[in-house]
Amino acid sequence: DTEVTQTPKHLVMGMTNKKSLKCEQHMGHRAMYWYKQKAKKPPELMFVYSYEKLSINESVPSRFSPECPNSSLLNLHLHALQPEDSALYLCASSQPPGPLFLTQYFGPGTRLTVL
Amino acid sequence: AQKVTQAQTEISVVEKEDVTLDCVYETRDTTYYLFWYKQPPSGELVFLIRRNSFDEQNEISGRYSWNFQKSTSSFNFTITASQVVDSAVYFCALSSNSNYQLIWGAGTKLIIKP
Repeated sequence: DTEVTQTPKHLVMGMTNKKSLKCEQHMGHRAMYWYKQKAKKPPELMFVYSYEKLSINESVPSRFSPECPNSSLLNLHLHALQPEDSALYLCASSQPPGPLFLTQYFGPGTRLTVL
Repeated sequence: AQKVTQAQTEISVVEKEDVTLDCVYETRDTTYYLFWYKQPPSGELVFLIRRNSFDEQNEISGRYSWNFQKSTSSFNFTITASQVVDSAVYFCALSSNSNYQLIWGAGTKLIIKP
């Protein structure tokens, strides 16, 4: 059983809607990640939070807004999305990078469709 | 620059056959980390193995085995006696102390036919 959970599993939204994706991890990790994955492609990193602070933003459009309320929760707020934003959104967690790079563990993902 | 190449886009075999998925990497770092993840049709990326550059021991876990060869910059993955449940996309990935982000291969889609 995965220890990284994501809700909702599926989401359909219009271009004017505001919605949020949620991620929770129960492994005591202090780094959390958002990835976007298009069909038949590897995941693309969007954001990294380390110790609840945004440490990496991979030039993601402002219509995506991350939030890390505490060490076990990660949200992705969506507003005014475009149809090309339709994808699988994956959350992951790990211990923060340091002397050793530690493994990222992924959640089941949210399949987002923008109409 | 760091790079991971999975040259096999898709592999199709009949159940119970052995199959090897290739992964070739490029990095100038002396300390790096290699990973294999499995992504079934449901979408979740499942961690399979991590190998550190300073540990060249090969590993076997049930029907799965991994062959790490620094001399050829390869980290290949073999499934013995494949099963239909092994059908998935498999990703090889690389990270290092100079770039903690995962560098992903393009993935290999494995189809196991009954």
